[in-house]
Amino acid sequence: AQSVTQLDSQVPVFEEAPVELRCNYSSSVSVYLFWYVQYPNQGLQLLLKYLSGSTLVKGINGFEAEFNKSQTSFHLRKPSVHISDTAEYFCAVSENNAGNMLTFGGGTRLMVKP
Amino acid sequence: NAGVMQNPRHLVRRRGQEARLRCSPMKGHSHVYWYRQLPEEGLKFMVYLQKENIIDESGMPKERFSAEFPKEGPSILRIQQVVRGDSAAYFCASSPGQSHGYTFGSGTRLTVV
Repeated sequence: AQSVTQLDSQVPVFEEAPVELRCNYSSSVSVYLFWYVQYPNQGLQLLLKYLSGSTLVKGINGFEAEFNKSQTSFHLRKPSVHISDTAEYFCAVSENNAGNMLTFGGGTRLMVKP
Repeated sequence: NAGVMQNPRHLVRRRGQEARLRCSPMKGHSHVYWYRQLPEEGLKFMVYLQKENIIDESGMPKERFSAEFPKEGPSILRIQQVVRGDSAAYFCASSPGQSHGYTFGSGTRLTVV
């Protein structure tokens, strides 16, 4: 069975600083990987996804993530954060033989301070 | 092109009542998924449906919970005889197929009092 671990439950960072949100997964088969963002009292918005091809994936709002198969990681990065990036971020994995079901990590709360 | 529409946004039920949550997928999407988010936790898969068929209900509690996606109309998640532990945000998502990375609705926040 697949699982996703987000190592940091909260990440405080100052505005304009870089940030990395960590995500590790476990699976016995090939996977597809996703990052979603959730603003307070809202649904989830897809930031980016890795299905195949280049391991460096660029998403919306200046975010990017790198798939590292050997380390089973898919860390999310942004070189300079804004106050508006304050939100909950979820990493998710889908096994390519499991239909479309997503397994989510527990989430990381990014708190951007002025 | 409206996104995934869920209603109601907020639902309050007394213990023992029934809760009905509705989800209208994006236009052209025939695959619907329901997830539950407990407070301070990530989302947990509940059920995956296509029109008139349940494809995967491995995440559904064995009792009191049911889901349908009829030929016409929205998908419905039904919770009978609600208990306090059912209080959560319930999210629906849709996709046009097994395209990986679907669109979520804004959720229904169920509070059981």
